[in-house]
Amino acid sequence: KQEVTQIPAALSVPEGENLVLNCSFTDSAIYNLQWFRQDPGKGLTSLLLIQSSQREQTSGRLNASLDKSSGRSTLYIAASQPGDSATYLCAPRGGGGNKLTFGTGTQLKVEL
Amino acid sequence: GAGVSQSPSNKVTEKGKDVELRCDPISGHTALYWYRQSLGQGLEFLIYFQGNSAPDKSGLPSDRFSAERTGGSVSTLTIQRTQQEDSAVYLCASSLALTPGYTFGSGTRLTVV
Repeated sequence: KQEVTQIPAALSVPEGENLVLNCSFTDSAIYNLQWFRQDPGKGLTSLLLIQSSQREQTSGRLNASLDKSSGRSTLYIAASQPGDSATYLCAPRGGGGNKLTFGTGTQLKVEL
Repeated sequence: GAGVSQSPSNKVTEKGKDVELRCDPISGHTALYWYRQSLGQGLEFLIYFQGNSAPDKSGLPSDRFSAERTGGSVSTLTIQRTQQEDSAVYLCASSLALTPGYTFGSGTRLTVV
């Protein structure tokens, strides 16, 4: 059974800081890994998708890396802004099934 | 449509009543998933449909929960004899195949009173 852990559970930073969110998963037999953000009371917005054969993906100020063999992924956010405040979820796909398995997320607050 | 559509967006029901939640996936997406998110909890997998294959129902919490997908498109999640612990946001997602990512709908917030 796939288990996903995200560290830290919560993070509060001043605007402009670069930060790293960590995700680890127990079953490395995955098809891909997706990072999402969730705003309070809202659904999930996909941020980045990394295929199992890839090492990283970049979109704007976001960069996600994947080390499949060690069961780790990181999400790097450059020059954080208050609008980045949200809960960030990582979700590997596969690992014994076709479903996404979610971590409990990192709740990020970027302060002015 | 352009995205995954879920209805209703909010549903308040009395304990013991049956409810139906609807998901309209992106056209052509063969995979459809239901998840739920209870207050302060992570997302919990419920059920997965892939094409014409038998659905993966391994996440359904009890036999009061069922889901169907008609014609490989629209899906309905039915909860019978609702209980207060069923209160949660129910999220639907779809994807084209194994490799592309998921697209989620905005969810149905179910409140059982």
